[in-house]
Amino acid sequence: QKEVEQNSGPLSVPEGAIASLNCTYSDRGSQSFFWYRQYSGKSPELIMFIYSNGDKEDGRFTAQLNKASQYVSLLIRDSQPSDSATYLCAVNMLRTGANNLFFGTGTRLTVIP
Amino acid sequence: SQTIHQWPATLVQPVGSPLSLECTVEGTSNPNLYWYRQAAGRGLQLLFYSVGIGQISSEVPQNLSASRPQDRQFILSSKKLLLSDSGFYLCASERDGAGAFFGQGTRLTVV
Repeated sequence: QKEVEQNSGPLSVPEGAIASLNCTYSDRGSQSFFWYRQYSGKSPELIMFIYSNGDKEDGRFTAQLNKASQYVSLLIRDSQPSDSATYLCAVNMLRTGANNLFFGTGTRLTVIP
Repeated sequence: SQTIHQWPATLVQPVGSPLSLECTVEGTSNPNLYWYRQAAGRGLQLLFYSVGIGQISSEVPQNLSASRPQDRQFILSSKKLLLSDSGFYLCASERDGAGAFFGQGTRLTVV
């Protein structure tokens, strides 16, 4: 089992719709969860983090965490063509005293104008 | 806020040649530093991480090594590059579990 799993997509949504991106992780002890956006040919940029069960909202983005199910998701409301990118889920796993960030393979999102 | 400098942005090297990629961090102290590699169309693979000067941990056995000679300097090296070393190399800095910030990356092509 991979440490962090995501549906690779591609996921296509029309402009203005809600995009839903999902991620599962294997380490029950994980405490910190992150969503990154990566445009083609660029490095990832941090857009959201969540530590507690429930929802966390930041503008058009909502991160949802369910530790019992080992599941984290990202909702993008009112999707825009500029949201078209690959979204990476990352989980902080404690290894030998250091916090190591493990990434999923990413979900490619296309927002259709 | 943190700024992570990586260079060069692109690099083409022949098989068997050495490699040295440098990463420096501004705007923070005592960060955890990471080297990731991303193959074309793939996810990020953690190669090395460091929690302090001279402290390096490797996640996967490979043809590469890393060093941290100063608090905010992280170097990725190889003595002899393989074709399979091609990829997008990313340096990242993290502190206090607040998420990692990435440099612009180095796109390495081994020919």
